[in-house]
Amino acid sequence: DAGVIQSPRHEVTEMGQEVTLRCKPISGHDYLFWYRQTMMRGLELLIYFNNNVPIDDSGMPEDRFSAKMPNASFSTLKIQPSEPRDSAVYFCASSPGPLVNNEQFFGPGTRLTVL
Amino acid sequence: AQSVTQPDIHITVSEGASLELRCNYSYGATPYLFWYVQSPGQGLQLLLKYFSGDTLVQGIKGFEAEFKRSQSSFNLRKPSVHWSDAAEYFCAVGARSNSGYALNFGKGTSLLVTP
Repeated sequence: DAGVIQSPRHEVTEMGQEVTLRCKPISGHDYLFWYRQTMMRGLELLIYFNNNVPIDDSGMPEDRFSAKMPNASFSTLKIQPSEPRDSAVYFCASSPGPLVNNEQFFGPGTRLTVL
Repeated sequence: AQSVTQPDIHITVSEGASLELRCNYSYGATPYLFWYVQSPGQGLQLLLKYFSGDTLVQGIKGFEAEFKRSQSSFNLRKPSVHWSDAAEYFCAVGARSNSGYALNFGKGTSLLVTP
């Protein structure tokens, strides 16, 4: 298996622009997670899906952030409008089952820079 | 709420020396504990996990960790470090929340290996 695939790997944009990050989970995995990593706050869970349904979005920082999972093989994280403080590495992870029984497999991340 | 503390931000060890990375958790019930490793420019990879049973857990790449309930610790160890072990190491605690499951990561410990 190719593992979790994320695109783009790097994104540089200007403040106010819309940014869309993409993720393809491992086939057969029912859980998908979006994380954000910064020096100041470390690794934070933003949202996770089970069978394409958002289960917990309490980590989404504000309304500028939205995530969708239209099918089992694709998810997006959108920021609109983007701000410099959104600069971070965004990770997508997938898991075959509930967290406490199964490993999460992480993608390589998308490094976002908002100027 | 559950939380994880990694007291050491940076650690430097000589190649061939032993390694211990510290992790302390805060959680009322029996925690689910994980150690992940992140190589530069890569996503996180699971090293090992503890759910129950034997408190000494063996992982990949020669790593092990010991769960000590009395000290609320889950320290990661390796008897002899290789240069390829240089990376960022994250301890995480997983627990059931009202909306499902949450995985809380520590801020990480950066390991530098010198010749």
